Amino acid sequence: NAGVMQNPRHLVRRRGQEARLRCSPMKGHSHVYWYRQLPEEGLKFMVYLQKENIIDESGMPKERFSAEFPKEGPSILRIQQVVRGDSAAYFCASSPPARTNSPLHFGNGTRLTVT
Amino acid sequence: ILNVEQSPQSLHVQEGDSTNFTCSFPSSNFYALHWYRWETAKSPEALFVMTLNGDEKKKGRISATLNTKEGYSYLYIKGSQPEDSATYLCALDTGRRALTFGSGTRLQVQP
Repeated sequence: NAGVMQNPRHLVRRRGQEARLRCSPMKGHSHVYWYRQLPEEGLKFMVYLQKENIIDESGMPKERFSAEFPKEGPSILRIQQVVRGDSAAYFCASSPPARTNSPLHFGNGTRLTVT
Repeated sequence: ILNVEQSPQSLHVQEGDSTNFTCSFPSSNFYALHWYRWETAKSPEALFVMTLNGDEKKKGRISATLNTKEGYSYLYIKGSQPEDSATYLCALDTGRRALTFGSGTRLQVQP
């Protein structure tokens, strides 16, 4: 019973490159959430997706960041033209298609370093 | 911007001590409150999801209470053990499913 799988665990990108972070939710979960943890800060909500739909992207930066959760395959968080300030740990979580009081199940995160 | 605050920021206790932390949130935005335990180099793990005023939840030596009218929740650990060392996060759900997390209370239990 695999949990939430994120890859890669660590990602190094030079300024201006693209970063693609992947998240496979737990089996049976159709809701995916992306959170970011900047150095010395807490978890900040970025985006909430269901299959083929973005439900809430109120926490996403307006430029360079995008997310998708296609019908088949993992959810992808894409950061174009990365800058040093994008260096952070990015966590994905999933939950079942049920009441909003279901807990989130988190992956181990992707640590992005921009050089 | 929702303000979810946790105190203290960090705590050092001796093995066997009982301890508690506080999470405060705006009561007008309440739908559910989550508690998570986050060990270093691991992922946050759900402890409780609380929805009702006066709710009390328990899991082993860890318990939590909720007061939605005044906007706070307490997490208690009875007889702390070194393996309880972790960061404890609370998070507010306003019904949108996009949780707003506090900054956490970092607990260190000395053997």
